[in-house]
Amino acid sequence: DSGVTQTPKHLITATGQRVTLRCSPRSGDLSVYWYQQSLDQGLQFLIHYYNGEERAKGNILERFSAQQFPDLHSELNLSSLELGDSALYFCASSPRTGYGYTFGSGTRLTVV
Amino acid sequence: GESVGLHLPTLSVQEGDNSIINCAYSNSASDYFIWYKQESGKGPQFIIDIRSNMDKRQGQRVTVLLNKTVKHLSLQIAATQPGDSAVYFCAENTDYNQGGKLIFGQGTELSVKP
Repeated sequence: DSGVTQTPKHLITATGQRVTLRCSPRSGDLSVYWYQQSLDQGLQFLIHYYNGEERAKGNILERFSAQQFPDLHSELNLSSLELGDSALYFCASSPRTGYGYTFGSGTRLTVV
Repeated sequence: GESVGLHLPTLSVQEGDNSIINCAYSNSASDYFIWYKQESGKGPQFIIDIRSNMDKRQGQRVTVLLNKTVKHLSLQIAATQPGDSAVYFCAENTDYNQGGKLIFGQGTELSVKP
C-alpha cells in the first residue's frame, strides 16, 4: 500500500456521461497530481494542486476539471465522456517539494 | 479506425544478468529525475531518484547514472530477477523546489527469463 488511495478502482460508463474520481494523498502530503495513462499516449500530466490551489495544468481537456479540498483529498471530474477517454487515471502526492512522489493504484475508466 | 498501442522498447535478459535501461530526457533545465517501475494493472512504483547536482546514485541492486551533457539517464539493475519484469519509466522534473510536475518518458519493458 503506497498510502495514496484512489477510488473507485474500476468504472464503466456510457458516452456522454460524467464521472468523479477521488484521490486521498499520503498523510502529510500537500501536493496532488493527476495523470492519464492510455495505450497510445503513455503517462500524461493533467493537473497539479498544492494545498488547495491549482499550481499547473498539463494536457487536460476543457471537459475535465479537478479540485483539492481543505482535507487535501482531490477529485477529478470528467464530463461528456468519449470513447477516447478510456484510460487509467492515476493520482500522485508529494510533500511541499517535488521529492517523494508516490502514486496510487489508479482508476481504470472504460467508456462504452 | 483501429487504434495502435504504444510500442515500448523491450529489453530481455536472463535471470542473474545485469540490466541497463536507458532514457533520454528532454529539458536541460530539469533538476530532478526519478525511475519508476510499473507492473501490469498497478501504479508506478518509485525505484530511485537523483538530483541534477549528482551523476551517480546507488540503491539496493539499482544504480542510476545521470549525464547532463547529453541529457541521458540510465538505470542499472544488478542480478536481475523474474520479479523485476515490468515497464520502467524515467521521469524528469523541472521545478523540484516547487513540487513541479513530472514528465515521463515512454517506458521500457523489461522481460526476465528464468
